[in-house]
Amino acid sequence: AQRVTQPEKLLSVFKGAPVELKCNYSYSGSPELFWYVQYSRQRLQLLLRHISRESIKGFTADLNKGETSFHLKKPFAQEEDSAMYYCALSDNQGGKLIFGQGTELSVKP
Amino acid sequence: NAGVMQNPRHLVRRRGQEARLRCSPMKGHSHVYWYRQLPEEGLKFMVYLQKENIIDESGMPKERFSAEFPKEGPSILRIQQVVRGDSAAYFCASSADSSNYGYTFGSGTRLTVV
Repeated sequence: AQRVTQPEKLLSVFKGAPVELKCNYSYSGSPELFWYVQYSRQRLQLLLRHISRESIKGFTADLNKGETSFHLKKPFAQEEDSAMYYCALSDNQGGKLIFGQGTELSVKP
Repeated sequence: NAGVMQNPRHLVRRRGQEARLRCSPMKGHSHVYWYRQLPEEGLKFMVYLQKENIIDESGMPKERFSAEFPKEGPSILRIQQVVRGDSAAYFCASSADSSNYGYTFGSGTRLTVV
């Protein structure tokens, strides 16, 4: 079955510390992976997708097919990074996304 | 471009009433997706529609829930005879095609059943 797992419900770090939000997936095939972010009182928005291999707001994520992981990383967290982060998977068949449970990132001053 | 518009933002219904949630996709987008987020959970896919067609309703509960996306006007998610368990945030997303490119979410409708 297709599944996305984000094992951490809450991740709390201090400003300037490295951040890694974990995401593991279960899918037999070639999925497309995404990270979405939801800042307080704002709508869900795309942070990055694995096929573009870009860095947005200092965040990167590498697809590891061997470990079926797509962890989100940032070397130095900022207070404005505090938000809910959702990892999502697309089976490339019709556009629907399968989301993880989300991780709340709290960056303390 | 106003983006994906959902209304109302908040909806309170008594048990047994009907809830109608509206979603206007971004200009130029003809693909609409509905998701439900129960408390403490991630978003769960419900239904995927194109104009006048339901493409994938594999995530829709078998009873009381229906969705439409008419030729004119917004997409509607309709919940009949609501129960407390329907209380959730309902999100709509739209895209220009089915490739996830330009997938844009609305702000959601928070349904509370009392």
